[in-house]
Amino acid sequence: EAGVAQSPRYKIIEKRQSVAFWCNPISGHATLYWYQQILGQGPKLLIQFQNNGVVDDSQLPKDRFSAERLKGVDSTLKIQPAKLEDSAVYLCASSSRDRGPQYFGPGTRLLVL
Amino acid sequence: QKEVEQDPGPLSVPEGAIVSLNCTYSNSAFQYFMWYRQYSRKGPELLMYTYSSGNKEDGRFTAQVDKSSKYISLFIRDSQPSDSATYLCASQMEYGNKLVFGAGTILRVKS
Repeated sequence: EAGVAQSPRYKIIEKRQSVAFWCNPISGHATLYWYQQILGQGPKLLIQFQNNGVVDDSQLPKDRFSAERLKGVDSTLKIQPAKLEDSAVYLCASSSRDRGPQYFGPGTRLLVL
Repeated sequence: QKEVEQDPGPLSVPEGAIVSLNCTYSNSAFQYFMWYRQYSRKGPELLMYTYSSGNKEDGRFTAQVDKSSKYISLFIRDSQPSDSATYLCASQMEYGNKLVFGAGTILRVKS
């Protein structure tokens, strides 16, 4: 079974530029999560989708971050405009409809200069 | 106060040692508890997934949860250099909810 796929793996941008990350969850997993992991910290949830509906986006900085999950499969997370403090690893995770844990992708490492 | 607290380490042990990793949490509503292993520049990899209090064993790994003291532990027997990584504990209130992570403990196993 293929795991969670993410791209790109690395991205370097200037502050105030925009950037987008892509995630493809494990096949059949209805729930998709985006986490932000700052160096030296544990991951923090940004947004959670159940199929293509948003369940929890309470910690998403909505003035600059947006996310969508069209057709309930792939998802994109966008930052516009980026700030220096957005430098982090952006992790995508998915879980099945039935009881089970969250499985993470390899992450996208973002550096904002 | 953070909801999940974890000593960042680093914890350095010789190969073959028994490793004890610990977390405490403050939210009594947490019911699901997980341990993830994260190698440098990789995503978190699920090691253990437990519900409520009790022990769970998988190979060299044993997870313990004591809800009365809000204490989560992971034991690694016969530690190997390949176990060198950051270990993240996570808690969850209900299935499907967000995970609340500790900051992670860096483990170094020396050969």
